[in-house]
Amino acid sequence: DAMVIQNPRYQVTQFGKPVTLSCSQTLNHNVMYWYQQKSSQAPKLLFHYYDKDFNNEADTPDNFQSRRPNTSFCFLDIRSPGLGDAAMYLCATRPWGNRGDEQFFGPGTRLTVL
Amino acid sequence: GDSVTQMEGPVTLSEEAFLTINCTYTATGYPSLFWYVQYPGEGLQLLLKATKADDKGSNKGFEATYRKETTSFHLEKGSVQVSDSAVYFCALSSGGANNLFFGTGTRLTVIP
Repeated sequence: DAMVIQNPRYQVTQFGKPVTLSCSQTLNHNVMYWYQQKSSQAPKLLFHYYDKDFNNEADTPDNFQSRRPNTSFCFLDIRSPGLGDAAMYLCATRPWGNRGDEQFFGPGTRLTVL
Repeated sequence: GDSVTQMEGPVTLSEEAFLTINCTYTATGYPSLFWYVQYPGEGLQLLLKATKADDKGSNKGFEATYRKETTSFHLEKGSVQVSDSAVYFCALSSGGANNLFFGTGTRLTVIP
């Protein structure tokens, strides 16, 4: 089945130690998103790609970076994680165009910062 | 700017009870509207959607109607089950970027 895959499902890192989360998709969608979701809150958009065109949300901290080497893969890099970065990180995809198309979400990676 | 206001929870219902979760929106233009569901420890799954006024989205016994006159998209189910326990998010997408704007989520617990 076509899907959005996130690895790992659970990630533990130390305060200040760089960490990378990965997302892959078999849907061949042009648009990919990264969200941060803290406990009992709505997902918050960090950035998204239209193909390789990167779009950063205005309030996304500089500590968060992203790479998309090809259509299938997208990475979220947190350069110096702080305790406040502990959250669930969700990847989502959407085909280009039709504004009615929903976003397809992966299962998420839960990040713990010690 | 675009926004979604969602009924605050948590909501606790007995099995087979009727469910309503209210959602209203503010948007310029003509948004598409969605309900997503999130089960414990999982990502978001699309539950239903509507892309224009008076459309009704439905799935797994859940329904919601896009009401432009009241800017609402309330979620309903006639008879909830224990397996419906989850967090429900109302969302809209609009504009060229089609980014999703989420409500704060409503946690539903269904007890046997």
